[in-house]
Amino acid sequence: GAGVSQSPRYKVAKRGQDVALRCDPISGHVSLFWYQQALGQGPEFLTYFQNEAQLDKSGLPSDRFFAERPEGSVSTLKIQRTQQEDSAVYLCASLLSRPTSGELFFGEGSRLTVL
Amino acid sequence: GENVEQHPSTLSVQEGDSAVIKCTYSDSASNYFPWYKQELGKRPQLIIDIRSNVGEKKDQRIAVTLNKTAKHFSLHITETQPEDSAVYFCAAIIYNFNKFYFGSGTKLNVKP
Repeated sequence: GAGVSQSPRYKVAKRGQDVALRCDPISGHVSLFWYQQALGQGPEFLTYFQNEAQLDKSGLPSDRFFAERPEGSVSTLKIQRTQQEDSAVYLCASLLSRPTSGELFFGEGSRLTVL
Repeated sequence: GENVEQHPSTLSVQEGDSAVIKCTYSDSASNYFPWYKQELGKRPQLIIDIRSNVGEKKDQRIAVTLNKTAKHFSLHITETQPEDSAVYFCAAIIYNFNKFYFGSGTKLNVKP
């Protein structure tokens, strides 16, 4: 596609529910990042993939968060047993090659609200 | 890891005035500094970037300056217009590493 696509754009979940957020990066982009953005804050790093390999998951806040990119293209961020503090916009971004230079292309984000 | 601090958190200017947003970083190995603009409900988009071998870069009304010794860099917007109203984020990156560290953002409001 022309840009990074994320779905759903909006998700309301009851506390304790599991959610799955999808990211479809720009075709051919090797690197994929997930960020969490709380209201009024900058994006906070969650995890990074290079192709299908998850090279860094140090930003995932707990073991309830899990991300995968099995075929090196589409990625899914899964949050189990959601809590209210998980409410945020989850941004996906992709990059053509390893980040030696260049622009991060962001998706529109998935806004998660946990009631 | 890298720590990027951004100031101010909010900035209100009159149309036509200049706006300056400042960021500091902690890791001297950082060598790439992009700035992103995020309009309400939209995705962040790159507006300008600077690399560590350059002290200043300008693109029309937008300029970025970098002081590696002091570990700070700034975004300058001249002749501001209402459409410049948005949240601006700085970032610091170390080449060949896998993280873009973002500042906490500055909400710029340009009053007509």
